[in-house]
Amino acid sequence: QKEVEQDPGPLSVPEGAIVSLNCTYSNSAFQYFMWYRQYSRKGPELLMYTYSSGNKEDGRFTAQVDKSSKYISLFIRDSQPSDSATYLCAMIETSGSRLTFGEGTQLTVNP
Amino acid sequence: GAGVSQTPSNKVTEKGKYVELRCDPISGHTALYWYRQSLGQGPEFLIYFQGTGAADDSGLPNDRFFAVRPEGSVSTLKIQRTERGDSAVYLCASSFLSRGGELFFGEGSRLTVL
Repeated sequence: QKEVEQDPGPLSVPEGAIVSLNCTYSNSAFQYFMWYRQYSRKGPELLMYTYSSGNKEDGRFTAQVDKSSKYISLFIRDSQPSDSATYLCAMIETSGSRLTFGEGTQLTVNP
Repeated sequence: GAGVSQTPSNKVTEKGKYVELRCDPISGHTALYWYRQSLGQGPEFLIYFQGTGAADDSGLPNDRFFAVRPEGSVSTLKIQRTERGDSAVYLCASSFLSRGGELFFGEGSRLTVL
């Protein structure tokens, strides 16, 4: 069993839709949770960074962490064609040195 | 440039050959990471440097893989006796902090072993 599970999609939505992306994990030592966006043939870039449980909002993006359920989510409001990319969840232990990634969800937002 | 720079961007080699991949991190970043990303998968950790030393190399798949960072800046990932299964995108990332900091990724070196 993988430490981090993420539905690979692909996910296709119309412009303006609300998108929900999710990951589950098994390692209860994970404390920092991140979402990266990766465009085709590019490196991942950090979108959201949260510590422990709770919500964090940044513009059209909201990240949620539920440590009791070992479940994290990323919501994208008013999705745009430019949001079309692969979204990777990632997490790390407090004293850890390595990020553990999900396999990524491929999102397409259609104009 | 201000970002993480990786060369070559593409490398095609034959099975059994030796390959070097280079990473130039963001200036001032002391932490440097190598990840490997296979098609349709998330990045997998290979090795982490803090300064010149490899603080965690537990992700290296076998002794054909080796990485160095002799002056605490540029790093080279070395793969001996390449195999077809080594084909992947090799990503380098750097960070200002050694723990919990944001990782800045390069665009990767795409390795194809024929």
